[in-house]
Amino acid sequence: NAGVTQTPKFQVLKTGQSMTLQCAQDMNHEYMSWYRQDPGMGLRLIHYSVGAGITDQGEVPNGYNVSRSTTEDFPLRLLSAAPSQTSVYFCASSYSGGASHNSPLHFGNGTRLTVT
Amino acid sequence: RKEVEQDPGPFNVPEGATVAFNCTYSNSASQSFFWYRQDCRKEPKLLMSVYSSGNEDGRFTAQLNRASQYISLLIRDSKLSDSATYLCVVNMGLDTGRRALTFGSGTRLQVQP
Repeated sequence: NAGVTQTPKFQVLKTGQSMTLQCAQDMNHEYMSWYRQDPGMGLRLIHYSVGAGITDQGEVPNGYNVSRSTTEDFPLRLLSAAPSQTSVYFCASSYSGGASHNSPLHFGNGTRLTVT
Repeated sequence: RKEVEQDPGPFNVPEGATVAFNCTYSNSASQSFFWYRQDCRKEPKLLMSVYSSGNEDGRFTAQLNRASQYISLLIRDSKLSDSATYLCVVNMGLDTGRRALTFGSGTRLQVQP
């Protein structure tokens, strides 16, 4: 049972480069989301999706794009990386957004991104 | 003022000690509350939900005080394996997705032998 799989685990980019962080889940969760975690800031929601074909912005969406063509996959795209995007990125999924006591968020292992 | 505030710690306690963390939240309409645990350089994992009447799970007790807008986590008989960062998570109740879950920045616990 793989759960939530994120790739890559580590990435170094130069300013202006683009890349896609991959996220896949095999639990048939409707809800998927991307967070970034920075020291002293907690996890902040970037984008989320409540089902295939539906995406919406979270708290800090600027500089990131997402798509949800299937229930399983929710890639995060950085079109033109900036040093301010240096962070740890977590993908998470659940049945109902994690807001229910019976449906917690399941997180991937994280991607450590450095933009120079 | 942050929407969810936690003392960052670290809390350094000896094995066997009892330790408690508080977390305050700003939105009185918040609907559900959780404690997640995050080990160093790992992903967060749900530790326990927090129910209105308070709840226990083994050595862990969670309490909610809606009047004062805080939740607490009590750990009894601390183990070395309890060393981690504890994240307070609040559902602000705005909708099912956008900013529905707001994370505190975490309280670090270090249990020492």
